[in-house]
Amino acid sequence: QQQVKQSPQSLIVQKGGISIINCAYENTAFDYFPWYQQFPGKGPALLIAIRPDVSEKKEGRFTISFNKSAKQFSLHIMDSQPGDSATYFCAASTRMKTSYDKVIFGPGTSLSVIP
Amino acid sequence: DVKVTQSSRYLVKRTGEKVFLECVQDMDHENMFWYRQDPGLGLRLIYFSYDVKMKEKGDIPEGYSVSREKKERFSLILESASTNQTSMYLCASSLGGVGGNTIYFGEGSWLTVV
Repeated sequence: QQQVKQSPQSLIVQKGGISIINCAYENTAFDYFPWYQQFPGKGPALLIAIRPDVSEKKEGRFTISFNKSAKQFSLHIMDSQPGDSATYFCAASTRMKTSYDKVIFGPGTSLSVIP
Repeated sequence: DVKVTQSSRYLVKRTGEKVFLECVQDMDHENMFWYRQDPGLGLRLIYFSYDVKMKEKGDIPEGYSVSREKKERFSLILESASTNQTSMYLCASSLGGVGGNTIYFGEGSWLTVV
């Protein structure tokens, strides 16, 4: 019930195309859904995040779509660029009784954007 | 900018050795974490700490211990390294308090156990 599923494992997209990564969760206690982006040799960094009270959040070329009833959320990268080539992790978190969040990460998607 | 610094980027250790991975954050964050990253398995939480001298087991604590004597420093200890602990280790920190806080990661420590 704590698992976050993510697909596809890898993705190749042409420059200018749309990259779509899908995630699903089981635990309805999750209340915050961030996406992290990781470039080779670097640690992950927060890209965009959403709370379940909205169905979509857009920041530049990056959009999260959230379907609360289906317990699914996805990342769309519009006009994909070679510089977007990275590993993307979806995550789900819930506040624990003390002052920290329990964060579960998906297994990651390796995105390659080819010219 | 928040900075999480892992002192060792690449280490090669022998089976049975005691290994220390050190991490320092400079933003006065209450929470600190150690994750392990393996291909196809994502980021798995080893241990975390929400206050000085406090620690909680994550999902894969076996074979590891941690130490947090100061707020800014969180150490991961492999008491007796084994080859199945060859991996990339990520330290991270976040604010306490209100939920939905960003986790800030270091650049990772690549450990090879031979």
